[in-house]
Amino acid sequence: DSGVTQTPKHLITATGQRVTLRCSPRSGDLSVYWYQQSLDQGLQFLIQYYNGEERAKGNILERFSAQQFPDLHSELNLSSLELGDSALYFCASSVVVGQNTGELFFGEGSRLTVL
Amino acid sequence: DQQVKQNSPSLSVQEGRISILNCDYTNSMFDYFLWYKKYPAEGPTFLISISSIKDKNEDGRFTVFLNKSAKHLSLHIVPSQPGDSAVYFCAATGTASKLTFGTGTRLQVTL
Repeated sequence: DSGVTQTPKHLITATGQRVTLRCSPRSGDLSVYWYQQSLDQGLQFLIQYYNGEERAKGNILERFSAQQFPDLHSELNLSSLELGDSALYFCASSVVVGQNTGELFFGEGSRLTVL
Repeated sequence: DQQVKQNSPSLSVQEGRISILNCDYTNSMFDYFLWYKKYPAEGPTFLISISSIKDKNEDGRFTVFLNKSAKHLSLHIVPSQPGDSAVYFCAATGTASKLTFGTGTRLQVTL
């Protein structure tokens, strides 16, 4: 158990809809990261938040947005969903103190299926 | 642009033998490299890492080698065990602090 909790574990929805994925980081971790893993692809970095502020942005579509709340949990909002958005979405957390050494703790992922 | 490449999607190794997983990178700004292991229905878990100031790091049965001039790193597992069967992701990071992952190599350790 990594200590990172993601909900829901599975989600099936239709094209054009909007969903919200939730992540609770490990206790004490200030950074939250979101990654997308499509079929046979590596983990694609979407976005990072540190203590409520956006820290780094990757290949995140404009239809997607995220935020980190004062209690440090994070939500990833996906809107106007397309078939190609079907993927595993991972949340990860870390303690960022000075130089980031890159070791992240991942949740079990939220599997999104868009029909 | 795939900055971290794992060119072997799969690898099969007999129990007790050595498993060698390879990874290449293109971004010379990367200065910290990691390997993650992923079992089905679980998130990736950190396995071992190496800083660019080193060329080798060992942790039990796992050793990571870094060849900066070739922009290549490898993970050696000796001896391989059935429980090592998983997908292994290579990852790299630099001052941008975000991790860039490869596409993974599925290792199967056979009896």
